[in-house]
Amino acid sequence: GAGVSQSPSNKVTEKGKDVELRCDPISGHTALYWYRQSLGQGLEFLIYFQGNSAPDKSGLPSDRFSAERTGGSVSTLTIQRTQQEDSAVYLCASSLGTSGTGILETQYFGPGTRLLVL
Amino acid sequence: AQSVTQLDSQVPVFEEAPVELRCNYSSSVSVYLFWYVQYPNQGLQLLLKYLSGSTLVKGINGFEAEFNKSQTSFHLRKPSVHISDTAEYFCAVSRGGGFKTIFGAGTRLFVKA
Repeated sequence: GAGVSQSPSNKVTEKGKDVELRCDPISGHTALYWYRQSLGQGLEFLIYFQGNSAPDKSGLPSDRFSAERTGGSVSTLTIQRTQQEDSAVYLCASSLGTSGTGILETQYFGPGTRLLVL
Repeated sequence: AQSVTQLDSQVPVFEEAPVELRCNYSSSVSVYLFWYVQYPNQGLQLLLKYLSGSTLVKGINGFEAEFNKSQTSFHLRKPSVHISDTAEYFCAVSRGGGFKTIFGAGTRLFVKA
């Protein structure tokens, strides 16, 4: 079956512009994560959606970052007024997420969107 | 609150040597533990996971990890590494039941000829 897909795969933008990054999770997965991976850095958690619950936004680095998930499926991460330090690979992952058994928490990652802010 | 610490940011090792990548976690409740691998220019993929039962877990590519509850560790090991094992390895912990998964900062394994 299809895995997690992300678009665009690469995005070059100018400082100050807004960008939207899209994530299509695996069908049936209720949990969706956004991470950021900067050059030479590990995974930085950004935001977590679980079903119809309010998202966990504790990882968003500033109010320029926001994300939504429409209909419990596709998610869009928006970065407003981009800065050069926003340059990174943005990863999306999904998991079945709703059960108490850990096997359902295995995350499946998309290929990422490489963002470059000039 | 949960947290994951990967004690080594980089581990250089010669080909065919053994390797151990260390991971410690903190949690007041039972957890599920994972190792993910990211090969150069590729996406993250699951290497192995501990859910319950045997504390020694075997994963893909000859890797294994041992869950040690008393030491709150989940170290990853391979008896003999290959050049192709060069990658970044991430330890992760989850409480399950809809709680988010927490990742460590990653360990970059560099296998030299």
